[in-house]
Amino acid sequence: GENVEQHPSTLSVQEGDSAVIKCTYSDSASNYFPWYKQELGKRPQLIIDIRSNVGEKKDQRIAVTLNKTAKHFSLHITETQPEDSAVYFCAASKGMTGNQFYFGTGTSLTVIP
Amino acid sequence: EAEVAQSPRYKITEKSQAVAFWCDPISGHATLYWYRQILGQGPELLVQFQDESVVDDSQLPKDRFSAERLKGVDSTLKIQPAELGDSAMYLCASSFTAGRRNEQFFGPGTRLTVL
Repeated sequence: GENVEQHPSTLSVQEGDSAVIKCTYSDSASNYFPWYKQELGKRPQLIIDIRSNVGEKKDQRIAVTLNKTAKHFSLHITETQPEDSAVYFCAASKGMTGNQFYFGTGTSLTVIP
Repeated sequence: EAEVAQSPRYKITEKSQAVAFWCDPISGHATLYWYRQILGQGPELLVQFQDESVVDDSQLPKDRFSAERLKGVDSTLKIQPAELGDSAMYLCASSFTAGRRNEQFFGPGTRLTVL
């Protein structure tokens, strides 16, 4: 099966700085890579996703990059704000509706005002 | 905006007791997932339904866990008997039918504490 590794497990940045979270996956057949944000006591929510036919995707202050050859993908948050503080999870899937998501272990991001 | 509903939100039970969790997916979502999330880790799939049929339950501890989705809509996850190691957050998620975007929408979860 798929194995997703996520680093770092904790990350602290000053407000306004950038944050980068990295994930690697093992199954070359995986082609859909979502990122979820989970605030304390709340449900995970999708913040951005990328498919394997695209190398980069951006949505305002959030961007995701994918390197299929190296089997890794990264989440980039620029101009961080205190409300970005949360646990972020990456996942990998074979992309067809109904296929299983394999989640990373999560990164706890703290943005220091 | 439609959301996945779960109940109860919190459950405290003693070991060897039976517990049950309920999930109501977003209307029209044929695929339903139950995940277990241990503190500090990512969600791990327990069981996946397509309509009323189980698609994947390879990670479900079948000696004590059971899940059903009798009418292909809402679902129940049961643990009997509960063990100390079952303490975790149990998340339900649902996704669109085939041909649509593969986003999974999560419910708020049920936090289970086994004493």
